Amino acid sequence: SQQGEEDPQALSIQEGENATMNCSYKTSINNLQWYRQNSGRGLVHLILIRSNEREKHSGRLRVTLDTSKKSSSLLITASRAADTASYFCATIQGAQKLVFGQGTRLTINP
Amino acid sequence: GAVVSQHPSWVICKSGTSVKIECRSLDFQATTMFWYRQFPKQSLMLMATSNEGSKATYEQGVEKDKFLINHASLTLSTLTVTSAHPEDSSFYICSAPRTGENNEQFFGPGTRLTVL
Repeated sequence: SQQGEEDPQALSIQEGENATMNCSYKTSINNLQWYRQNSGRGLVHLILIRSNEREKHSGRLRVTLDTSKKSSSLLITASRAADTASYFCATIQGAQKLVFGQGTRLTINP
Repeated sequence: GAVVSQHPSWVICKSGTSVKIECRSLDFQATTMFWYRQFPKQSLMLMATSNEGSKATYEQGVEKDKFLINHASLTLSTLTVTSAHPEDSSFYICSAPRTGENNEQFFGPGTRLTVL
């Protein structure tokens, strides 16, 4: 079963703008991960944030985690056309089983 | 990063035939691999956990007799869709975690199955 929800389901912005995606989850976690999927391709791991972390940066990516609200956000700054993809948050259940959110389809318009 | 491959990348078959999809970890050993199914514009749904040397563990609602999984070695897991029907048409993706990588999983590029 899906862990939680992501919003928005779809987001379309102009190149150069920032994109923010949100994810909510239902159970307690040790960490939360974000993945990117280009159309018709496999997933690429973007960033992992641990439950005792509140914010993490990686290049143009900034992830926040609020365990009290069971939510996370992914911010992509200065977006580029190549950022067009679907973005999924995922949490781990049991032994290494990833459970994905519904995903956000991001479109960057040139 | 680690590399996971899948073969074939796409397959078209007639209804009633069986299709085998391979998932290989190319530069690391994986005692566990995972198989997901993804319908268009939807998220990934975990189908089963493939365990090297033992039976696969299937998620609720996934027919084990229809989706046969064999983890033959530490680098290879296969998913066989038996007696495929049009409703089995989907994007199938495998993943493998690498020990010591903070539970990061490496995903194959996926296999697009179309059943006519």
